[in-house]
Amino acid sequence: GNSVTQMEGPVTLSEEAFLTINCTYTATGYPSLFWYVQYPGEGLQLLLKATKADDKGSNKGFEATYRKETTSFHLEKGSVQVSDSAVYFCALLHGGATNKLIFGTGTLLAVQP
Amino acid sequence: DAGVTQSPTHLIKTRGQQVTLRCSPKSGHDTVSWYQQALGQGPQFIFQYYEEEERQRGNFPDRFSGHQFPNYSSELNVNALLLGDSALYLCASSLYPRTSRNGYTFGSGTRLTVV
Repeated sequence: GNSVTQMEGPVTLSEEAFLTINCTYTATGYPSLFWYVQYPGEGLQLLLKATKADDKGSNKGFEATYRKETTSFHLEKGSVQVSDSAVYFCALLHGGATNKLIFGTGTLLAVQP
Repeated sequence: DAGVTQSPTHLIKTRGQQVTLRCSPKSGHDTVSWYQQALGQGPQFIFQYYEEEERQRGNFPDRFSGHQFPNYSSELNVNALLLGDSALYLCASSLYPRTSRNGYTFGSGTRLTVV
């Protein structure tokens, strides 16, 4: 079945460090891929998305490229800030009959000043 | 533009009781999905409503039921509560059939604690 695997956290970085959170997926066909962010005590916010192979999603300095050959959608940011501290979820969605999001387990990012 | 609104924000119930959670979708959206997020885990799909019917269901028992109203708002009902039902319940809305392209908009959730 469809699934998403994320690198385990927590990931602890100093401010202005480079961030990579790995995400790989298993799915048939061509799912859409998403990164959601969850700040403490809040719901999920869509961070970025990509709907086909080689698409690059980007938002607020974060980027992720849909790599079908490696079934990956790694999240990157060149210079993290303390305000980026949150839990990040990678997710996939198939349209049509299986129109539901499948999430990874989440990666906690802690950025220290 | 109002996003997804959920109520209540927090709730404490006793084992065996029943609970109803409510969700108003983002303006312009017609599809509502419910997710359960246990502590330290990713959200798990419960079910999805479109045109007032349950269209898909995840691996949850019949104790979990729902409803969608003509104004697209939705309720999640859980009967015979168990301690393991303690979780953050998230409502997500979307516009069918563009979900694959645009994804879902999530509410802030209802934190249910069963004691």
